[in-house]
Amino acid sequence: KAGVTQTPRYLIKTRGQQVTLSCSPISGHRSVSWYQQTPGQGLQFLFEYFSETQRNKGNFPGRFSGRQFSNSRSEMNVSTLELGDSALYLCASSPDTTLYGYTFGSGTRLTVV
Amino acid sequence: GIQVEQSPPDLILQEGANSTLRCNFSDSVNNLQWFHQNPWGQLINLFYIPSGTKQNGRLSATTVATERYSLLYISSSQTTDSGVYFCAVEGNEKLTFGTGTRLTIIP
Repeated sequence: KAGVTQTPRYLIKTRGQQVTLSCSPISGHRSVSWYQQTPGQGLQFLFEYFSETQRNKGNFPGRFSGRQFSNSRSEMNVSTLELGDSALYLCASSPDTTLYGYTFGSGTRLTVV
Repeated sequence: GIQVEQSPPDLILQEGANSTLRCNFSDSVNNLQWFHQNPWGQLINLFYIPSGTKQNGRLSATTVATERYSLLYISSSQTTDSGVYFCAVEGNEKLTFGTGTRLTIIP
């Protein structure tokens, strides 16, 4: 069974640009969530989607947005990139967040220059 | 929100030693997971353990939900055990992570 797939693995963008990251969950998992990891702030929750509906959102500015498609694949978008957005972005999927654990992808490492 | 604290922050051990990592959380939670972050950044799931005790080879974990803590035991440490270990608790469709324990195993 394939794991959680994130693309791309690495990305370098210039300040002010926008970026879109993709996450394909494990087959049958309807919950997809996104996390940002930085050395200073650790692992922080961005948002969670279940059956195309955003159920929860973390404390991030509106420049961070996401969506989920009918096949459960998810994308997150960051507009007007800032240097501080440089981070490892991790996606996780779960069949049901209250009853089962989360499985994480390998992450996308974003560098903003 | 839920607070998650891990201790110790850093642990340096000789190969073959045993270790205990602790995770305290501030409120009741739906579930708790332990992860090992590999050098490439991926979070590898070790245990899904909302309560009770589980074992997987040299690793075991115990969660006492009523007292809001969990312990991860690593026995006969190997150099491949090095890395950062995270505890994360689930509530409101999100995981809240601790700050991690960085484990270094010296040959």
